[in-house]
Amino acid sequence: DADVTQTPRNRITKTGKRIMLECSQTKGHDRMYWYRQDPGLGLRLIYYSFDVKDINKGEISDGYSVSRQAQAKFSLSLESAIPNQTALYFCATSDPGDGANKNIQYFGAGTRLSVL
Amino acid sequence: RKEVEQDPGPFNVPEGATVAFNCTYSNSASQSFFWYRQDCRKEPKLLMSVYSSGNEDGRFTAQLNRASQYISLLIRDSKLSDSATYLCVVNSGAGSYQLTFGKGTKLSVIP
Repeated sequence: DADVTQTPRNRITKTGKRIMLECSQTKGHDRMYWYRQDPGLGLRLIYYSFDVKDINKGEISDGYSVSRQAQAKFSLSLESAIPNQTALYFCATSDPGDGANKNIQYFGAGTRLSVL
Repeated sequence: RKEVEQDPGPFNVPEGATVAFNCTYSNSASQSFFWYRQDCRKEPKLLMSVYSSGNEDGRFTAQLNRASQYISLLIRDSKLSDSATYLCVVNSGAGSYQLTFGKGTKLSVIP
């Protein structure tokens, strides 16, 4: 089983619909992240959380919200989906680590979202 | 200036060739440096961390030049299975746990 699991893997939805992408992890990490990836733009951070009571906006949080239900679960919501939110979404986790291995992030397999 | 810039690619090389990727970063306070590999439509996976003194893992060698804010990745004896996009990744500043990703360089190893 994967250490970082994202569901669903693929989702097609319509403009204006509310959808939730879920992420769970078995790595025991406190830190969790949501990214989106678009062709030619690379990975961009949407939200991140360093523990259950800590939520922080990333580079592109507008139009998104998150919930950290437990140490192992971090979900991303699109309250009213729009076509330019069509992208590949990744969840990641990390722990502090030490030395050069500090800050390594581990990714889920991704959710491919299409908003029509 | 973009925070992490990489060679645009794509690099098309024959099997057995040596290929080098370069990356520059803008935040002089960055302390953690990585190369990630991403296969088409898959998640990024850590290839190797980059240490100040440079480090090697089999056919892969990473170098860091803090003065020039420059990172490199050298792949020797390229294999077909090395075909992927390579992402240069840097933490976003002193003490930061956020990572900034380059857009990636695509490598295709040709038989």
